[in-house]
Amino acid sequence: DAGVIQSPRHEVTEMGQEVTLRCKPISGHDYLFWYRQTMMRGLELLIYFNNNVPIDDSGMPEDRFSAKMPNASFSTLKIQPSEPRDSAVYFCASILTGEFYAGYTFGSGTRLTVV
Amino acid sequence: AQSVTQPDIHITVSEGASLELRCNYSYGATPYLFWYVQSPGQGLQLLLKYFSGDTLVQGIKGFEAEFKRSQSSFNLRKPSVHWSDAAEYFCAVIDYKLSFGAGTTVTVRA
Repeated sequence: DAGVIQSPRHEVTEMGQEVTLRCKPISGHDYLFWYRQTMMRGLELLIYFNNNVPIDDSGMPEDRFSAKMPNASFSTLKIQPSEPRDSAVYFCASILTGEFYAGYTFGSGTRLTVV
Repeated sequence: AQSVTQPDIHITVSEGASLELRCNYSYGATPYLFWYVQSPGQGLQLLLKYFSGDTLVQGIKGFEAEFKRSQSSFNLRKPSVHWSDAAEYFCAVIDYKLSFGAGTTVTVRA
C-alpha cells in the first residue's frame, strides 16, 4: 500500500484566497483524521471521520474551515478565506476499526503558507 | 479525558551517549501509548507502541520504551544515539482520538 497520500506537499497562497488540501487514506481504513501542527499549539486534531461521516469537528478553529469525505478514498480540508494565522503543517491520518492499538498512519503533510 | 505530558522541551545529547525522553499519561484504564518521531520537514513516523503485556517494548531504530503504571509513565530510551536521531519526539495516547504531547526536540552534538 502506498500509505496515506496528501497533496499538495507545499502550498503558498495569498490572504483571502481559498485553499483546498487533499488526502487519500489507506485503502480499507474506515477512520480518517485531520491534524494541524504549529509551533504555538503543537499537534491539534481538527476533525475526524468514520465511514465517511464526520464524527467530531470540535477542533475546527472557525467557520472558515470545512472538511468533507465524499467517499472512502478521498477527503478534503478547505479554508475559505485563508488568513496568515492559518499557516501550518496539516496532516492527514487513517486507521482501521479494531486496530487502534497499532497507531495511526500519517501522511507526509501539507505545509501551508498564507502571505 | 486522556492526555500525555512531556516535561522536557529540548534535550541535547552527545553522539554515542544514552537518551531518555520522559512521558507521563493521564488515563483511567490501560492506555494505548505511542512514540512518534518527526525529522525536520518530515511527517510523523511511529517508533513503537504499547497496549498490553510486557512493559518493555522494542521499536524501530534501536529505541525502546518502558510502561510503568505506578508512575503513569512511558519513557523512551536509546542506549547510544546517532546524529540521525536528531528530531522531535512525540508521546501520544489514543482513545479513538490520538492526543499528542507537546514534543521534545533532541539535538545531537558531535
